[in-house]
Amino acid sequence: DAKTTQPPSMDCAEGRAANLPCNHSTISGNEYVYWYRQIHSQGPQYIIHGLKNNETNEMASLIITEDRKSSTLILPHATLRDTAVYYCIAPGGSNYKLTFGKGTLLTVNP
Amino acid sequence: DVKVTQSSRYLVKRTGEKVFLECVQDMDHENMFWYRQDPGLGLRLIYFSYDVKMKEKGDIPEGYSVSREKKERFSLILESASTNQTSMYLCASRLQGYGYTFGSGTRLTVV
Repeated sequence: DAKTTQPPSMDCAEGRAANLPCNHSTISGNEYVYWYRQIHSQGPQYIIHGLKNNETNEMASLIITEDRKSSTLILPHATLRDTAVYYCIAPGGSNYKLTFGKGTLLTVNP
Repeated sequence: DVKVTQSSRYLVKRTGEKVFLECVQDMDHENMFWYRQDPGLGLRLIYFSYDVKMKEKGDIPEGYSVSREKKERFSLILESASTNQTSMYLCASRLQGYGYTFGSGTRLTVV
C-alpha cells in the first residue's frame, strides 16, 4: 500500500465547503485513491475513488494532482451530519486489503 | 444499494466461549473481509475471502478462524474467546475493482 498522510483534525462551518487533503507521494501509476468516512459507532462508508482524473458523485468531489502525489476530497456544502473521520487509502498492489490509517476527524460546526 | 448485514449489533460473551459472528451480503460480491477496530489502533484486517471456500489471513489472524461456505455469507469464529478480543468487529464485501461496503459492526465484549 502507498503510505498516506492526512491532518489529524479539521473544522468547517456548516454550509461551507470542506476540503480534506491527503498526501500519497509513494503512489504508483496504477494505484487508485479511495476515500471513506466513519461516523461514530458505524462502519466505514465508501465515498469516492479515482485514478488520475477528477471525480464527482452525489456525495463529494475528488481532485487528484497531476503528479498524483496528493488529492483533496471536497464536500461542497458541509452539514452537521458530515462530522466524521475521513480516511484516504491507496491499496496499491493488494487487490484485497485496505489499510486504514488514523484519518482526519472533520468537525462541522453550526 | 449493496447491503452488508451483521447478525448482532452488541454481544456479550464469557471467556472461553466459542463465538460466531455472521455477515451476509446481498450483491453477489466475490470478496469479503473481517476487520476489528480498537481505539488508537484503527482498523486491522483479521481474515479475508476472495471466493467461496477460499480464505487468506490478514494482519491479526491469531485466535480467529473463518468460514465461507456460500458466497453471500462470511463467518468469523473466535475459538475460545478472551478478554483481549473485546472489540468492534466490522465485516465488508467488495466487487472486484470497486469500493468496499461495510456492515454496521458488532461490538463484542468478552467478560
